Amino acid sequence: SQQGEEDPQALSIQEGENATMNCSYKTSINNLQWYRQNSGRGLVHLILIRSNEREKHSGRLRVTLDTSKKSSSLLITASRAADTASYFCATDAVDSWGKLQFGAGTQVVVTP
Amino acid sequence: NAGVTQTPKFQVLKTGQSMTLQCAQDMNHEYMSWYRQDPGMGLRLIHYSVGAGITDQGEVPNGYNVSRSTTEDFPLRLLSAAPSQTSVYFCASRALAAPSSYNEQFFGPGTRLTVL
Repeated sequence: SQQGEEDPQALSIQEGENATMNCSYKTSINNLQWYRQNSGRGLVHLILIRSNEREKHSGRLRVTLDTSKKSSSLLITASRAADTASYFCATDAVDSWGKLQFGAGTQVVVTP
Repeated sequence: NAGVTQTPKFQVLKTGQSMTLQCAQDMNHEYMSWYRQDPGMGLRLIHYSVGAGITDQGEVPNGYNVSRSTTEDFPLRLLSAAPSQTSVYFCASRALAAPSSYNEQFFGPGTRLTVL
C-alpha cells in the first residue's frame, strides 16, 4: 500500500499562476520529500522537510508539513512551462528505516 | 560524477526469459534500491540494500532477485519474466546517516521493460 497520496491527480494552469498540490500519509515520519519527474525521465529531488519543521522554501517552491494532520503541501509560485512534470511526495517513515514510500503523483501541465 | 547509471534503457523479453538490469553509482552511497513504476501507481519498492552483502525485500519483491557484492553495483535479476513485470524500473541511491537518513535520493534514468 502507498504511504503518500497526492491530490489532485492532475492540475492544469497557465504560466504565471501558482500550483498547489497536497500529500497525505498514514504513519509517523522522519521526513517527507518532494520529487519531480519529467516525461520519460528519472525522478529529481526537489526539497526535503523534516518532521520537526513546519515550512521550508527553495526558490519558487514552498513546502508545508502538518504532522498532526499527516499532510504536506507543495506550492510552486509563478509557474513556467518548464514546470510541466509529475510531482511525487515520498515519506521516510519512522518504522521503515531507510525506505522511501511514494504516492501516485500529481501531473502538472503549465501552458504558455 | 556520473551519478546513478542504469543499463539497458529499453528491453523486450518473452515470457519465461531471464535477464539482469544493471545499476551502478559512483557516489559511495551505502543505500541502493530498486523501484518499479506503473501508470497511476507511483513508485513501488522492489528490493533495497544498506551496504555490500546486505539486501532486503521491499513492497513487491516476488519474481526478482538482487545481490550487492560491491558498494557501487546493485543488479536486479528477473528470474522468469512475466507480462505483469512490464514496467519502468528505476534504481536509486543515497547516503545513510544513523539513526535515519535525511539525505536525498538520487535516481537513475530508468529501464523500460516490456514482457511479451
